[in-house]
Amino acid sequence: DIQLTQSPSSLSASVGDRVTLTCQASQDIRNFLNWYQQRPGKAPRLLIYGASTLQTGVPSGFSGGGSGTNFTLTITSLQPEDVATYYCQHYDNVPITFGPGTKVDIK
Amino acid sequence: EVHLVESGGGLVQPGGSLRLSCAASGFTFESYSLNWVRQAPGKGLEWISYISATSSTIYHADSVKGRFTISRDNAKNSLYLQMSSLRAEDTAVYYCAREGQLGLFDFWGQGALVTVSS
Repeated sequence: DIQLTQSPSSLSASVGDRVTLTCQASQDIRNFLNWYQQRPGKAPRLLIYGASTLQTGVPSGFSGGGSGTNFTLTITSLQPEDVATYYCQHYDNVPITFGPGTKVDIK
Repeated sequence: EVHLVESGGGLVQPGGSLRLSCAASGFTFESYSLNWVRQAPGKGLEWISYISATSSTIYHADSVKGRFTISRDNAKNSLYLQMSSLRAEDTAVYYCAREGQLGLFDFWGQGALVTVSS
């Protein structure tokens, strides 16, 4: 099975800060990587697919990058509504797996 | 508007069975693959089952293989998860998720809580 690791496990930043989350795969997954946002008490929401394509309706302040084994999710200017846990997910093969998540808070 | 609504969750004893349902609306149900993803309390997301649009392809995670069965009824716009031999570690919120393109879950239900406890 492909393992995904995310760092940091949590972070606290100020409103307006640029925030970068990372996801590393245990083997090459090309660009078969998605990012989800899960606000407290809510279902996950797709943010980015194919490593870098913004899902319809997602604010342009979110961006994704990377390929192979190293990926990033960047929030250009952190807002209070961005408080959430962010998960990466690969779909290179079965089983699909998710990373353990990065919890983002406002300082 | 796409809607996915899970039902059937609840409290069940270890070794017991439960059937979850997911009612879909707002899209052409028979054209999409579907998945079940679960989340144990305070933990991350775990994919557990996949079913293709015509039910021709089914996958289960090793953690539930042989105990859980995914199915669908395209005439009823419904997805199901039959769970048996339930264990305490199956306690989780269970989400149904539409697979918009290969491997991406573009719409999720609100989740159904399953608690396995004596």
